[in-house]
Amino acid sequence: DTEVTQTPKHLVMGMTNKKSLKCEQHMGHRAMYWYKQKAKKPPELMFVYSYEKLSINESVPSRFSPECPNSSLLNLHLHALQPEDSALYLCASSQGITGGPGELFFGEGSRLTVL
Amino acid sequence: AQSVTQLDSQVPVFEEAPVELRCNYSSSVSVYLFWYVQYPNQGLQLLLKYLSGSTLVESINGFEAEFNKSQTSFHLRKPSVHISDTAEYFCAVHLPRGGYQKVTFGTGTKLQVIP
Repeated sequence: DTEVTQTPKHLVMGMTNKKSLKCEQHMGHRAMYWYKQKAKKPPELMFVYSYEKLSINESVPSRFSPECPNSSLLNLHLHALQPEDSALYLCASSQGITGGPGELFFGEGSRLTVL
Repeated sequence: AQSVTQLDSQVPVFEEAPVELRCNYSSSVSVYLFWYVQYPNQGLQLLLKYLSGSTLVESINGFEAEFNKSQTSFHLRKPSVHISDTAEYFCAVHLPRGGYQKVTFGTGTKLQVIP
């Protein structure tokens, strides 16, 4: 199983709503990532969890709240978003401490539209 | 610090013609270079990577890339493209950080294969 599964695939929400994006992997990876991707741009790192601990927060606004309940799951809680937060949100995973470089495995993404 | 430059934002090419997508990098430490591909409405997936050893690396679908340390380049080539190769291609530098990967992406090149 080399899949990263993201749900939902599409999400439309108002600026006052609270919603969550979910990500799951069963490859035994110990690093999980959230990226934001705008049209015609590369992915932009938001958060990294390593061994269930938050390792990187790239100065993301507090209206985005990550959570890593266990080594297989990663959530992104959304609250009071702005229209400019509309984007494709990508989850990725990679092996943990390996002593070397490793590929990132990406999910298909959750396309978020904020009205 | 690492940086990745992809000078061509779009490359149109006729089907069965050869193509080269350019990637240049800069890094103060040893580099691990990757190419990822993103098909429409999907996440990114690994195309090929250079870690060490032979400077010419190949993918299973006919792409190849050559690591050139003196020119700090990792250009991607394919001798004959197919319609199915239409996608966005991202060059990336990976920096292992203990329990996760610090990835710097280029801005991407959209390969448009014309029938």
